[in-house]
Amino acid sequence: DAGVTQSPTHLIKTRGQQVTLRCSPKSGHDTVSWYQQALGQGPQFIFQYYEEEERQRGNFPDRFSGHQFPNYSSELNVNALLLGDSALYLCASSLEGGGYEQYFGPGTRLTVT
Amino acid sequence: AQSVTQPDIHITVSEGASLELRCNYSYGATPYLFWYVQSPGQGLQLLLKYFSGDTLVQGIKGFEAEFKRSQSSFNLRKPSVHWSDAAEYFCAVGVYNFNKFYFGSGTKLNVKP
Repeated sequence: DAGVTQSPTHLIKTRGQQVTLRCSPKSGHDTVSWYQQALGQGPQFIFQYYEEEERQRGNFPDRFSGHQFPNYSSELNVNALLLGDSALYLCASSLEGGGYEQYFGPGTRLTVT
Repeated sequence: AQSVTQPDIHITVSEGASLELRCNYSYGATPYLFWYVQSPGQGLQLLLKYFSGDTLVQGIKGFEAEFKRSQSSFNLRKPSVHWSDAAEYFCAVGVYNFNKFYFGSGTKLNVKP
């Protein structure tokens, strides 16, 4: 049973560019949350997707957007990249009504130069 | 506003010694509390969670945590630390029916031989 997978593992982008990160949830999970973890910090909640809709959002600008597909996989898009967007982006999946345990992927390390 | 505070950035303990990691939260309603562990290059793994009931909860790898409402705390403990416990530990609170999570900034644990 595959856990949460994320791609790519590492990514280097230039300021102003756009990036798309991908996440496949653990088998059977229907909810996906995205987090940004800056170096030396705890994860910060970006947003959560359920039934292909964003249902909760953290304090992130509209440059951060997402999508959930019918197979529950998800994408995180970041437009107009800033140096401060450099971080580890974590995806977590869970099952609605399933005890609320989140399973985290290994993350995508984004570096903005 | 909701927040999670982990006052200790780094802690060093000797192998075999006991461990207590501190966590304080700020949330107006009943909190749903979690402890996660993150090893270098890995995603977060859930150690234990508190929703309600018994205020002393047992988790994996011999960890336990005690919820103290009067102190707004959820400290993590282990009676005897192993070298493999060296990692970073994060406390988190779930709000809005678990649709949003707040993490502390983490405590990095070093274990001396």
